[in-house]
Amino acid sequence: GAVVSQHPSWVICKSGTSVKIECRSLDFQATTMFWYRQFPKQSLMLMATSNEGSKATYEQGVEKDKFLINHASLTLSTLTVTSAHPEDSSFYICSARDVGQEGGRALINEQFFGPGTRLTVL
Amino acid sequence: KNQVEQSPQSLIILEGKNCTLQCNYTVSPFSNLRWYKQDTGRGPVSLTIMTFSENTKSNGRYTATLDADTKQSSLHITASQLSDSASYICVVSGEHAGNNRKLIWGLGTSLGVNP
Repeated sequence: GAVVSQHPSWVICKSGTSVKIECRSLDFQATTMFWYRQFPKQSLMLMATSNEGSKATYEQGVEKDKFLINHASLTLSTLTVTSAHPEDSSFYICSARDVGQEGGRALINEQFFGPGTRLTVL
Repeated sequence: KNQVEQSPQSLIILEGKNCTLQCNYTVSPFSNLRWYKQDTGRGPVSLTIMTFSENTKSNGRYTATLDADTKQSSLHITASQLSDSASYICVVSGEHAGNNRKLIWGLGTSLGVNP
């Protein structure tokens, strides 16, 4: 259980184009999904928190107009990198929190991670 | 400043051997500490999650310990296998008002298991 998928697993695009990454919770519902970025030999950096049916909350320094997040359903969140540039090349990882968590588990804020999407902008 | 520091930065051991990875944190207040395994090019996979009151937790060949007084944790791997080669990341969750509890990530220990 608690499987999160991402699509695509890797993408190469030209500078100036937009890229959409999907994050799906396959066997549970997620009111909250998180988007992370990871550069080589670095730890995961939280970009934004995505809540179903409402606007995403972005971390300081993350441009909301560049990284568009849509969380239209309890099983799907998308991240669109608009007008991508080579410096946006990174490993993007999503995670999802099970809406079914209650009591102690909800307090732990347990998140299930997707396999990641490798973005390369030429 | 909330920080999570891990040691060693990298480690190479022979298959079948045991090893222990260390994690020191300064996150306060503290909610829970977790260890993740991240294979190259993959997302993190949870190994253990421990709250303030837990001193040790096992998951197969992985055993994590937590000393909330000294703010230290360790991850012990027994009878290592080639598939254990990965980055092991210590993550601490601090308490915030409301439900937005953020995770403080360590840089990880890169473990290589050689035949």
